[in-house]
This record gives sequence, structure tokens and C-alpha cells, in this order.
Amino acid sequence: SQQGEEDPQALSIQEGENATMNCSYKTSINNLQWYRQNSGRGLVHLILIRSNEREKHSGRLRVTLDTSKKSSSLLITASRAADTASYFCATGLYGGSQGNLIFGKGTKLSVKP
Amino acid sequence: GAGVSQSPRYKVAKRGQDVALRCDPISGHVSLFWYQQALGQGPEFLTYFQNEAQLDKSGLPSDRFFAERPEGSVSTLKIQRTQQEDSAVYLCASSLRDGARDTQYFGPGTRLTVL
Repeated sequence: SQQGEEDPQALSIQEGENATMNCSYKTSINNLQWYRQNSGRGLVHLILIRSNEREKHSGRLRVTLDTSKKSSSLLITASRAADTASYFCATGLYGGSQGNLIFGKGTKLSVKP
Repeated sequence: GAGVSQSPRYKVAKRGQDVALRCDPISGHVSLFWYQQALGQGPEFLTYFQNEAQLDKSGLPSDRFFAERPEGSVSTLKIQRTQQEDSAVYLCASSLRDGARDTQYFGPGTRLTVL
């Protein structure tokens, strides 16, 4: 079963615009991670935000986490055509003996030049 | 060092054949994970190793799926008597310590097609 749900499922923007993707989850977490996947390729880790953090930046990426609402957002500023990919949020559960991540279904981002 | 590598990258099998998928994690990484990704979906957890110990295999869909990591480094996912519903991308990931707390680094995946 998947606990993360990304929103929107698909997003199409022009180069230079900002892209915002949201993720909601159901249970308490240790951390939340965002990954990018280009078509037919593996997952590339973008950023990890821990449950005691509220915001994190990495280059053109900004991630926020609201544990009270069990939600996170990923903002990509000044988007480029090369940002076209699927973006997944994944949660590491709190207190579990499992180490695995639980992924959402992803947001498909298309950046038009 | 090198990232996570997987082989083969593509595998076509006839229904009923056995397949073996290999994962080489990042050197020194304690935890290793296998995920299955169906077309258009997010990855779904299959199994998890800490060193050579298989701590969780709750995601394996049937007893036809078997994974091992005998020396705590390379891992093999074996699927016996493949079925068409096994067609998917199989992703391997490793993390330094605990996968729920640390970054998981993914390999390129093996795309399995069962005819």
C-alpha cells in the first residue's frame, strides 16, 4: 500500500516558471524524502527533510514539511526543460522496525521550452 | 565511489522461466532494499536487508520471490516460474545505516518483461 499521495498527478509549465508539488501522508514519520525519476531511469535523490525540520533548501529546490497537517511541498524555482521528470515523495516511518520507504504515485512534471 | 549498480538492465523471460537479478550496493552501506515499480506507479517495497540478515520480506508478493545477501554486500533477487504480472522494473537501493532515517540511493533498475 502507498501512504504518500502527490498532488497534482501531472503538471505542465513553461520554462522559467516555478513548479510546486504537494505530498500528503498518513502516519508519523522519521523523515520525508523527494526523488526525481526521468523516463525509464532510476530514482535520483533530491532532498531529505527530517520530522523536526520545517523547511530545507538545495539549489533551486525548496521543501517544506508540516507534520501537523501530514503534508510536504516541493518547490522548483526557475524551472528548466531538464526538470521534466516524475517526482515522488517517500516517507520513512517513525518507530518502525522496517527501514523501507513508502512512496506515493508521483507527479509528472513537464517543462516546455 | 560508484553508485548502486544493477544487472542486467533489461531482461525478457518466457512465462515459467526463473530469473535472477543482481544488485551491487554502495560499498560500506549496511542496508539494502528491493522495490518493484509497475508502469506509472511509485516503487513498492519488497524486502530489506541489514548486512546479511533479511529483516523484512513482507513485501514479497508470493513464495516465487526469493532474495539473498549472503556476505552482506551483493544481493540477488530471484523470481521462480515467472508470470506476466511479474513484469515491472525492479529497483535496488542502499543506505549507510538505517533506511528509514538515512538517504536511500537507488540503482538504475532492471526492467523485467515476461512474455
